[in-house]
Amino acid sequence: TQLLEQSPQFLSIQEGENLTVYCNSSSVFSSLQWYRQEPGEGPVLLVTVVTGGEVKKLKRLTFQFGDARKDSSLHITAAQPGDTGLYLCAGVISNYQLIWGAGTKLIIKP
Amino acid sequence: DAEITQSPRHKITETGRQVTLACHQTWNHNNMFWYRQDLGHGLRLIHYSYGVHDTNKGEVSDGYSVSRSNTEDLPLTLESAASSQTSVYFCASTNRQGETQYFGPGTRLLVL
Repeated sequence: TQLLEQSPQFLSIQEGENLTVYCNSSSVFSSLQWYRQEPGEGPVLLVTVVTGGEVKKLKRLTFQFGDARKDSSLHITAAQPGDTGLYLCAGVISNYQLIWGAGTKLIIKP
Repeated sequence: DAEITQSPRHKITETGRQVTLACHQTWNHNNMFWYRQDLGHGLRLIHYSYGVHDTNKGEVSDGYSVSRSNTEDLPLTLESAASSQTSVYFCASTNRQGETQYFGPGTRLLVL
C-alpha cells in the first residue's frame, strides 16, 4: 500500500510567522500536487511539481519536490489570515489516480 | 463556465436504507472519481470511472456501487447504509493523468 505522510496535522500560528508543511513517502511519484480546501468546499489545486528538485512559487507560498520525487514541502512566508485552510498533498500514480496525504489544518491568527 | 455539482449537499438517512448521491460535471471529462473524507484519513478513493460503462473499485469500495451511463454523471449508491459510512463525499473529474482534479462541493452524509 502506498502511503503519503503529511505533517504536521494541525498548525496554529500568528500572522507574519513562517511555516513549512511536509509530505513524505517511500514511493516515487510521477508528480505531486498541493491542494487547498476551504470549509464546506472541495479541494482546489494550488500547484503541481513534476521534476525532482523542482521549486515553484505562488506569491508567498513556495513548493519543492524532493530530488528523488518521494517527498515535497510547502513553505509559507509571512502567513496571513487568508492562508487559513486545509492543505492537502497528493502524489500522482498511474491511471489518473492520486495518493492523498491526511492534510494539514492551518490557522493563522490575526 | 464548466463545473461539477453534487446533490444533495446534506443528507440524513437511517441504517439499512439505500442512498444515492449524484455527481454531474460539464467539463466533458472522461475520468470521474468518488472520494470520502474523514478526519485523520484525508481523501480515500471509493470508485472511479475512465469513461461510459467503465467502473472500477477504489481502496474503500465495500458497500458502495457506481454506474456510468453517460459522460456527465457518476452517481454513487450506498446499497444498505451503515453508520460507518457517515462522512463527507466528494466527486471529482479530470481529463489527463497528472492534471488538475476538479472537485464538487461535497455531500455531507449522516447515517443514524
